[in-house]
Amino acid sequence: QKEVEQNSGPLSVPEGAIASLNCTYSDRGSQSFFWYRQYSGKSPELIMFIYSNGDKEDGRFTAQLNKASQYVSLLIRDSQPSDSATYLCAVPETGGFKTIFGAGTRLFVKA
Amino acid sequence: DGGITQSPKYLFRKEGQNVTLSCEQNLNHDAMYWYRQDPGQGLRLIYYSQIVNDFQKGDIAEGYSVSREKKESFPLTVTSAQKNPTAFYLCASRTGANTGELFFGEGSRLTVL
Repeated sequence: QKEVEQNSGPLSVPEGAIASLNCTYSDRGSQSFFWYRQYSGKSPELIMFIYSNGDKEDGRFTAQLNKASQYVSLLIRDSQPSDSATYLCAVPETGGFKTIFGAGTRLFVKA
Repeated sequence: DGGITQSPKYLFRKEGQNVTLSCEQNLNHDAMYWYRQDPGQGLRLIYYSQIVNDFQKGDIAEGYSVSREKKESFPLTVTSAQKNPTAFYLCASRTGANTGELFFGEGSRLTVL
């Protein structure tokens, strides 16, 4: 059974701080990795994807991938109260048609 | 605008009733998915379909049924056999390759009275 693991949190950070969200995955052949943000009662929305080892930056968001360690993370710089949400790590399975989701990390940004 | 439309947004069901949740996409995507989400939980796959007239069970298919008669449509029926159907249901689609992002509808919240 392929798995994606996240710390469920909640993770609480003050406004303006860096929030660090982590995810590990079991499928060593995984090629692509996605971070979705989900506000309470809403559907997930894509905020970042990464395919290659290293860092990928998009505005205040940075995704980091280490395939050797089977680890992907999301950094949110200058955190805002509007970033308070659940962040889902998602990994499409290799050779299949499913995407495996982690349980999500709840983030609270305190004003 | 291209996207995925789910209806109804909220639905109440009495025990013993079947209900059908609609999912329509105009993104020309081949693959469509149904997920269930319970409070504080991640997404669990119910059914998925890669092409018209073909679909496969996901991890929690018992008590659910689907059809894929058209590329644009992938309705989900929650049957009376589903013992605990109260949940948030999400429909998603993707192009054929299993490396791309999923596009989600707004979700349907089902409550059993």
